[in-house]
Amino acid sequence: QAQLVQSGSELQKPGASVKISCKGSAYTFTGNGLNWVRQAPGRGLEWMGWINTNTGDPTFAHAFTGRFVFSLDTSVSTAYLQINSLQAEDTAVYYCARDNGYNSFDYWGQGTLVTVSS
Amino acid sequence: DIVLTQSPGTLSLSPGERATLSCRASQSIGSSHLAWYQQISGQAPRLLISGASRRAAGIPDRFSGSGSGTDFTLTIRRLEPEDFAVYYCQHFGTSPPVTFGGGTKIEIK
Repeated sequence: QAQLVQSGSELQKPGASVKISCKGSAYTFTGNGLNWVRQAPGRGLEWMGWINTNTGDPTFAHAFTGRFVFSLDTSVSTAYLQINSLQAEDTAVYYCARDNGYNSFDYWGQGTLVTVSS
Repeated sequence: DIVLTQSPGTLSLSPGERATLSCRASQSIGSSHLAWYQQISGQAPRLLISGASRRAAGIPDRFSGSGSGTDFTLTIRRLEPEDFAVYYCQHFGTSPPVTFGGGTKIEIK
């Protein structure tokens, strides 16, 4: 069955950048949109946006414009989330999730913990 | 923007009991645009229900979803030990495209 595997935990200093990967397998990667979801410690799920895996066009939620970049390398079925100018408030688990085309996310990555601390 | 309000925030129940979780939208939404997820502590969310009432593959039939308009419900018929988790509703719309509710935690009484 389909699977999304994310890169490992990151510890970064304030002001640095981080790039998280999400590799899809066992399905046609360009056949489904790929979403990013943030979960701060002890908090709920927050949708960050999605990337069209056919065109590479990103869409960002209002709270995630400016410092956030979505990108793809379809040759290796991988999506990326880059966060620039990291702040302590960016400390969270970041998930990628596949849009199944039926208004829901049917497969999720295991999550990547990003810790921002000096 | 559509806001999803889940209630209660926490539900204290015993295994074998019935759980009823509410998700209320700030304006009417299409049933096909409402989904439910389960998140067990330390794990990624898992899709339970899409289209308000359609169980995802592999989801036991003790989970059911219902509702329309602004009021949606997730019911767990008889709680199993593995059902103690946090549950989120989600709306797929246009602006913003995706919204999550704040979550309901089911804890062991």
